[in-house]
Amino acid sequence: AQSVTQPDIHITVSEGASLELRCNYSYGATPYLFWYVQSPGQGLQLLLKYFSGDTLVQGIKGFEAEFKRSQSSFNLRKPSVHWSDAAEYFCAVGYSGGYQKVTFGTGTKLQVIP
Amino acid sequence: DAMVIQNPRYQVTQFGKPVTLSCSQTLNHNVMYWYQQKSSQAPKLLFHYYDKDFNNEADTPDNFQSRRPNTSFCFLDIRSPGLGDAAMYLCATSREGRGFGEQYFGPGTRLTVT
Repeated sequence: AQSVTQPDIHITVSEGASLELRCNYSYGATPYLFWYVQSPGQGLQLLLKYFSGDTLVQGIKGFEAEFKRSQSSFNLRKPSVHWSDAAEYFCAVGYSGGYQKVTFGTGTKLQVIP
Repeated sequence: DAMVIQNPRYQVTQFGKPVTLSCSQTLNHNVMYWYQQKSSQAPKLLFHYYDKDFNNEADTPDNFQSRRPNTSFCFLDIRSPGLGDAAMYLCATSREGRGFGEQYFGPGTRLTVT
């Protein structure tokens, strides 16, 4: 069965510092991978996705993620964090088992300090 | 802008009193999903519709029902809400057909049970 692990429940970074959020997945086939962001009291917004091709994926808001098959990882990065990036980030793996479904990780809450 | 709309954004109901949450979409997507998200947890899929085809997750309680009268609208009915059903309910859509379609989320309805 597919699963997603986000080992960091909570991360604090200073504004302007770089950011890396970790995500490891378990899936038997080539995965469809996503990063979503959720601001407090809001729905989820797609940051970026990986389906195939270039393993470095660019997303919105200056985020990027790198797919590493050998490590079963899809870590999210941003070179310089802004205070508005404070939110919860969910990694997810998509799979087709009859119907398309997505399994989410438990999320990483990002706090940005001045 | 094409979007996923959820109403109401906040819903308060009494223990055991039936409640209906609504979702509409202007994306013309053929798949609609309902997720339950409790505080600091990942969204949990309750069920989804592929066109008119209803698909229930195995662990979704019988207390939860859904209706999709047309492509644009989907409803979540909670027949007898308990205190444990207090959560954020997220509606999402995707277009399944060519490749894997990412999910687009509405802003959510926060349900309080008193």
